[in-house]
Amino acid sequence: DQQVKQNSPSLSVQEGRISILNCDYTNSMFDYFLWYKKYPAEGPTFLISISSIKDKNEDGRFTVFLNKSAKHLSLHIVPSQPGDSAVYFCAATKRGDDKIIFGKGTRLHILP
Amino acid sequence: KAGVTQTPRYLIKTRGQQVTLSCSPISGHRSVSWYQQTPGQGLQFLFEYFSETQRNKGNFPGRFSGRQFSNSRSEMNVSTLELGDSALYLCASSLDYYNEQFFGPGTRLTVL
Repeated sequence: DQQVKQNSPSLSVQEGRISILNCDYTNSMFDYFLWYKKYPAEGPTFLISISSIKDKNEDGRFTVFLNKSAKHLSLHIVPSQPGDSAVYFCAATKRGDDKIIFGKGTRLHILP
Repeated sequence: KAGVTQTPRYLIKTRGQQVTLSCSPISGHRSVSWYQQTPGQGLQFLFEYFSETQRNKGNFPGRFSGRQFSNSRSEMNVSTLELGDSALYLCASSLDYYNEQFFGPGTRLTVL
């Protein structure tokens, strides 16, 4: 049973446009969500997070939106840059549960 | 501050053998988590250690085990290797499990 789903294995976006990566979760007990970015041959790096008490968190070009009623979150990258080409993992956890559940990842290609 | 280091970076083993992977966390970090990354399953949680105690365990068979030393360094052992164990094994450290996790570059294990 996959509790965190990233239904798009890959996404291609023109440089300068907006990239939108989506993530759905099934466990309504999750209250903290994270996005990680991974380049080949490197470990994932933390990008941005959001607590369930918020519906938006912004950090520079990156914004995460949380829709609790739909159990959906999205990561917006604007404007997209070539260095954004990577695999993006969505993750979720319930504080106190001590386990972070990751999605399978979405590979983002930024086209010149 | 030095990041998370993992050794070795690459390993080739044959079925039935065993393997030990090592992870050195960021200085001061007491939580170490291990993940298995495969193309089909994304990042899957193996186990987490904190102050030499295993606090959490994912849904992996008993062939996967680990330990943590007093200096927070951690090892992961896989016995009786199977072809399906071929994966990238990632280690992540944090001050505590709820904090941002910092990932190492991973160990690429190939089982022939």
